[in-house]
Parts: sequence; C-alpha cells; structure tokens
Amino acid sequence: DTGVSQNPRHKITKRGQNVTFRCDPISEHNRLYWYRQTLGQGPEFLTYFQNEAQLEKSRLLSDRFSAERPKGSFSTLEIQRTEQGDSAMYLCASSMGGGQERTQYFGPGTRLLVL
Amino acid sequence: AQSVTQLDSQVPVFEEAPVELRCNYSSSVSVYLFWYVQYPNQGLQLLLKYLSGSTLVKGINGFEAEFNKSQTSFHLRKPSVHISDTAEYFCAVSLNFGNEKLTFGTGTRLTIIP
Repeated sequence: DTGVSQNPRHKITKRGQNVTFRCDPISEHNRLYWYRQTLGQGPEFLTYFQNEAQLEKSRLLSDRFSAERPKGSFSTLEIQRTEQGDSAMYLCASSMGGGQERTQYFGPGTRLLVL
Repeated sequence: AQSVTQLDSQVPVFEEAPVELRCNYSSSVSVYLFWYVQYPNQGLQLLLKYLSGSTLVKGINGFEAEFNKSQTSFHLRKPSVHISDTAEYFCAVSLNFGNEKLTFGTGTRLTIIP
C-alpha cells in the first residue's frame, strides 16, 4: 500500500508566478479530492474528480485555479498568477467511493508560500 | 448545507487522564461522520467513522466516538491519553449521497502534559 503521494512537499514562489502541484492517488481509487487548509483552520473542499471527470468545483476555486486528472490517474492543481492569499497547505485525498468505501485517504500535502 | 462545530480550539490534558473532544454538526439531511488526526506537517489520518449501525464507534489508537442523532453530536473520547496523542483533531461530515466531499470543523489541538 503506497498511499496517496503529493509533490512537491513544499513550494516557495513569488507573487505573480504560476505553480503546479501533483497528486498520485491510491491506485484502485476512482475518486480524487483537492482541499485547501490555511493556518488554524480545517481543510476546505476545492474540487472533486470521479475518474477523469471533474464533477464539482467550490466557489473557493477562482479562475486562476485549474485542476486536471488525465486518464483518471494522477491529478494536477495549477495556480496561475499566485497571490499572497494563496499561501496554504494543499491536500489531496482519494477514495473508492460509495457506501462503506467512502473513506478518504489523505496525502501529506503541499505547503505553498507566496512571497 | 452542512456544518461542523468544534467548540474547543485547544484542550490540555495530563498524561494518562481521560479526554473528550466535542463535535456538533448541522445538516438538513442524513450525514456520515468522521474524526481525523493531523500530526505536525503531515496530512490527515482517519481515526474512526460512523456510517450506520451501532452508534458507538471504535477507532485506532484507543479512540472511540458516539453518534447522538438527537443532540447532533459525535464526541471523541479516549480513557487514557499518551504523549503521542499530541496532535490536531478534526471532525468532519459528508452527505450520504452524491458528492462525498468532507466538511470539516476548525479543529481541536490536543496537548498532553507530562
């Protein structure tokens, strides 16, 4: 069991730059979620994929954010023209989905700091 | 929309003492309930979950929680804590249909005093 992996673990960037994060889910999981966690808060839902289809996006996901999951495997989250308010921990989770299999398993997260 | 309230942002407890971390939720439809633990600079690890059946749920590391529908609560308990339990604990809910996204509370920081 390799678990959910995320890369990079840390990213420091200057305001206005673009950044991309990657998430590799547990191999048999068809559902993939992105969350954002700011200091002192619980994670907040950003977006959700079932296989390669992006089925829901939060209002938190502005036009500068885009997520993909080609071929229903790994996923990328890109932030364009970063702002200081984007500084947060970005968490990825995966699940088999449905009924008793709805448990989401989280990766270690990518911590983003925008200077 | 559903919401989760964790009333205590910080809970200090002496080692080997019992602890209860409180969680209340609000939802107009049935939900599933979860407790996750987060150690410093790490992702979230599932402690336990309530999907259906017995309202007393046992999880990992000696934790348990009781689902109380009338009080819309899902409090987490441990009879005797250890230094290694020092972490942030998050209560979360998801709808029992459709998108299974989790809605989290703001977390409770559990600090174990030697």
